[in-house]
Amino acid sequence: AQSVTQLGSHVSVSEGALVLLRCNYSSSVPPYLFWYVQYPNQGLQLLLKYTTGATLVKGINGFEAEFKKSETSFHLTKPSAHMSDAAEYFCAVSDSGATNKLIFGTGTLLAVQP
Amino acid sequence: DGGITQSPKYLFRKEGQNVTLSCEQNLNHDAMYWYRQDPGQGLRLIYYSQIVNDFQKGDIAEGYSVSREKKESFPLTVTSAQKNPTAFYLCASSPRQTSGNTIYFGEGSWLTVV
Repeated sequence: AQSVTQLGSHVSVSEGALVLLRCNYSSSVPPYLFWYVQYPNQGLQLLLKYTTGATLVKGINGFEAEFKKSETSFHLTKPSAHMSDAAEYFCAVSDSGATNKLIFGTGTLLAVQP
Repeated sequence: DGGITQSPKYLFRKEGQNVTLSCEQNLNHDAMYWYRQDPGQGLRLIYYSQIVNDFQKGDIAEGYSVSREKKESFPLTVTSAQKNPTAFYLCASSPRQTSGNTIYFGEGSWLTVV
């Protein structure tokens, strides 16, 4: 069965600093991986996803993530944090096979300090 | 604009009552989902549906019921059997229920037991 671990439930960075949010997955088959962002009292918005092909995936708002099979990781990065990046971020893996159920990590709350 | 509409945004339930959360999508998506979000636990799947008149239990279906009479609608009923219903509920949809398809989320509904 697939699972997702997000290291660090809270991450704080200074405005302009590098953002690194960690995600490790467990899957017995090639995974499909996703990062979503959630602003307070709102739904989730897709940042980026990896299905096949290039392992470095670029998403919206300057975020990117790299699929590393050997490390079973899919960490999210952004070179320079902006105040508007403050939100909760969820990593998810798609249940492979005939269904499309997403299995989510417990989330990382990103704070951006001025 | 195309999207997923959830209503109401805030709902209060008395002990022993059933309540229904509405979810409507105009994206012409085949698959629809209901997730429950609790602080620190990420999102957990309640029910999902691949086509009209068909739905499957997710990981935490006890105390919930759904229907899928129309392609665009997937209401969730929280029954009195659900002992701890206070949570944020998210409806979602995807074009097809095959792995890797992006799942799109509504804005969510807050349910509080009073």
